[in-house]
Amino acid sequence: AQSVTQPDIHITVSEGASLELRCNYSYGATPYLFWYVQSPGQGLQLLLKYFSGDTLVQGIKGFEAEFKRSQSSFNLRKPSVHWSDAAEYFCTAFSGGYNKLIFGAGTRLAVHP
Amino acid sequence: DARVTQTPRHKVTEMGQEVTMRCQPILGHNTVFWYRQTMMQGLELLAYFRNRAPLDDSGMPKDRFSAEMPDATLATLKIQPSEPRDSAVYFCASGELTGQPQHFGDGTRLSIL
Repeated sequence: AQSVTQPDIHITVSEGASLELRCNYSYGATPYLFWYVQSPGQGLQLLLKYFSGDTLVQGIKGFEAEFKRSQSSFNLRKPSVHWSDAAEYFCTAFSGGYNKLIFGAGTRLAVHP
Repeated sequence: DARVTQTPRHKVTEMGQEVTMRCQPILGHNTVFWYRQTMMQGLELLAYFRNRAPLDDSGMPKDRFSAEMPDATLATLKIQPSEPRDSAVYFCASGELTGQPQHFGDGTRLSIL
């Protein structure tokens, strides 16, 4: 079955530290991949997307993600975290031919000053 | 920036009452999605419309939930009768084409007493 796995439910980092949020997917073909961020009381905001081509994609707010087919991964990274990055992050995948967007369970990021 | 608009933002009502949630998708978007978010289940897709036609509502309890798009500017999600287990945040999202990123509204926080 198609699935998206975010192994880390909760991550805490210090402000200014680097960040990597893990995401693994299980699909027969290369899926369309997205990262969304959800701040408290808000909807989900698209950070970045991968459809094809360059495996390193840049997004908003200084985030980037790298697609690695060999590892079935699409990890989200940021070189220096800001306190305003504290939120929940969702990795999600859409596979052509299916109408459903499959979400990971989410990773809640806390940022210490 | 164009936004998906959801009303009401908050709704508190007693069990057995009818609840109607509304969504105005971004103008020009031809796909609309309804999601439910709870702590226990995370994000669940309830229904999906393309060009106002329902394509997938397999995630929706059919006996009490109904979703419609009376016109291109309005999508509705109704619960009748409502139950305490329906308490959740309900999100609407819209997109231009299947597989393209979805844009989310800020959600309706529903509490059934």
